[in-house]
Amino acid sequence: AQSVTQPDIHITVSEGASLELRCNYSYGATPYLFWYVQSPGQGLQLLLKYFSGDTLVQGIKGFEAEFKRSQSSFNLRKPSVHWSDAAEYFCAVGIQTGANNLFFGTGTRLTVIP
Amino acid sequence: DAGVTQSPTHLIKTRGQQVTLRCSPKSGHDTVSWYQQALGQGPQFIFQYYEEEERQRGNFPDRFSGHQFPNYSSELNVNALLLGDSALYLCASRAERAFFYEQYFGPGTRLTVT
Repeated sequence: AQSVTQPDIHITVSEGASLELRCNYSYGATPYLFWYVQSPGQGLQLLLKYFSGDTLVQGIKGFEAEFKRSQSSFNLRKPSVHWSDAAEYFCAVGIQTGANNLFFGTGTRLTVIP
Repeated sequence: DAGVTQSPTHLIKTRGQQVTLRCSPKSGHDTVSWYQQALGQGPQFIFQYYEEEERQRGNFPDRFSGHQFPNYSSELNVNALLLGDSALYLCASRAERAFFYEQYFGPGTRLTVT
């Protein structure tokens, strides 16, 4: 069965510091992997996605993520965090069925301190 | 171009009551999925509608039902509300012929059951 684990419930970083959010997945086939961000009162916004090819993918807002098949991981990174990055971040696995639905992790809440 | 819209934004219901939530997909989209996001959790797939039919369902009881109209808008109905149904309900739309990752989420409806 597919599952997504985000081991860090809450992370606090200083503005300008680097960031890494962890994501591990379990899925029997080649995964489609996603990172979404959710700000209070907002829906989910897609940051980046991985389907195949280059294992380092670039997204919006300066985020990137690296797919490591041997570790079943898809960690999100940003070299320098801005105060506006404070939000909830969700990793998701795409299921390649008729509905193509997503399985989400429980999320990591990011706090940015000045 | 309006994105995915949902109504109402918030609502409060009493246990045992019934509720209807509404979703208008992004222009050009014909497929609508519904997700439930409980507090502190990631979104969970409820079901998806395409061509006015429920195409796939997640692990939710029959109290959860839906409908899709000819204009592709959709409703989520929940009967016999339980306290545990309190959550943010998200609608996501996409174009059936588009690659499935192109899903757009609405801002959600916050349902509180007392």
